[in-house]
Amino acid sequence: DAGVTQSPTHLIKTRGQQVTLRCSPKSGHDTVSWYQQALGQGPQFIFQYYEEEERQRGNFPDRFSGHQFPNYSSELNVNALLLGDSALYLCASEGAELEAFFGQGTRLTVV
Amino acid sequence: GIQVEQSPPDLILQEGANSTLRCNFSDSVNNLQWFHQNPWGQLINLFYIPSGTKQNGRLSATTVATERYSLLYISSSQTTDSGVYFCAVDFPDSNYQLIWGAGTKLIIKP
Repeated sequence: DAGVTQSPTHLIKTRGQQVTLRCSPKSGHDTVSWYQQALGQGPQFIFQYYEEEERQRGNFPDRFSGHQFPNYSSELNVNALLLGDSALYLCASEGAELEAFFGQGTRLTVV
Repeated sequence: GIQVEQSPPDLILQEGANSTLRCNFSDSVNNLQWFHQNPWGQLINLFYIPSGTKQNGRLSATTVATERYSLLYISSSQTTDSGVYFCAVDFPDSNYQLIWGAGTKLIIKP
């Protein structure tokens, strides 16, 4: 049983560019959440997708958007990248039991 | 507002020592999870424990929901236990968000 998988694992982008990160949830899970984790900090909630809709959103600007596909996989898009967007981006999936499982993360560096 | 506080913020121990990490939370919970974040950033599930006691090898956890705290016990520490331990809580009013503590950074010295 594959766990939560994220791609790519590492990414370097230039200020102003756009980036798309991808997440495949654990088998049987239908809910995907995205988190941003800056160095030395705890994860910060970006948003959660359920039934292909954004169900809840944290305190992030509209430059951060997402999508969930019918197979429950998800994408996180960030437009107009800023240096401060450099972070580890984590995806978590949940099923009916509400226990969250995390992928290995995508480390984004904006230069 | 709803809060999750972890203590201590940092802990340095010799290999073989035991440790107790604490998580205090401000309200009743839907669920509570303990995670270990390894040096590569991977968040590893340790326990899903909204109440009661669970054990998994050298690790165990207890949540006393009525008193608003959870404890994570690590016995006979190994260097591979090093990393940051997070407590994350789903409150009834948090609208599906996990609310995270600031973490406890644990260093196990050989």
